[in-house]
Amino acid sequence: DQQVKQNSPSLSVQEGRISILNCDYTNSMFDYFLWYKKYPAEGPTFLISISSIKDKNEDGRFTVFLNKSAKHLSLHIVPSQPGDSAVYFCAASFSGSARQLTFGSGTQLTVLP
Amino acid sequence: DADVTQTPRNRITKTGKRIMLECSQTKGHDRMYWYRQDPGLGLQLIYYSFDVKDINKGEISDGYSVSRQAQAKFSLSLESAIPNQTALYFCATSDALEGNEQFFGPGTRLTVL
Repeated sequence: DQQVKQNSPSLSVQEGRISILNCDYTNSMFDYFLWYKKYPAEGPTFLISISSIKDKNEDGRFTVFLNKSAKHLSLHIVPSQPGDSAVYFCAASFSGSARQLTFGSGTQLTVLP
Repeated sequence: DADVTQTPRNRITKTGKRIMLECSQTKGHDRMYWYRQDPGLGLQLIYYSFDVKDINKGEISDGYSVSRQAQAKFSLSLESAIPNQTALYFCATSDALEGNEQFFGPGTRLTVL
């Protein structure tokens, strides 16, 4: 049973517009969430994270929103750039799991020039 | 130079062969992980190690073994490879004092014929 779900396998957005990537989770014990970005032939790289004590974290063009009651988080990229085209993974952890990460299946973002 | 390196980057082998994938890191992190990624799925944890004397099974450890030869080296072995172990394998590291972020190597693409 998938505890972290990314229901959209792919998303296409026009350059300059907003990209919104979504992630849902089922385990209410998760208290830390991360987004990773992956280019072909490379390993995932950390993008941004959020603790469950917050509902928003911003870093430049990237903002992550957390809605604990809905068990939902989203990553907003504004403005989207062609170099943002990659697979984005959502991941979650909790202190009782020795901080192991549980990953979603990923969303392929394509930013069209 | 990359902080987390994996060798080999690509490997094709036959059913029943023994295979070892190696991971080295120069980040000085105490924690190391092995994941596999299958198409359409997220990263699944195979094994993890919090220090040289600590080895733990992840969610999909059957058919795999690991060795933590030193703080900087963590190898993954497939004792008798089978075709459904064809996947992309990633090594990752983290620092216990720096929270949840994990740093990934570039991956090894393994094909078992």
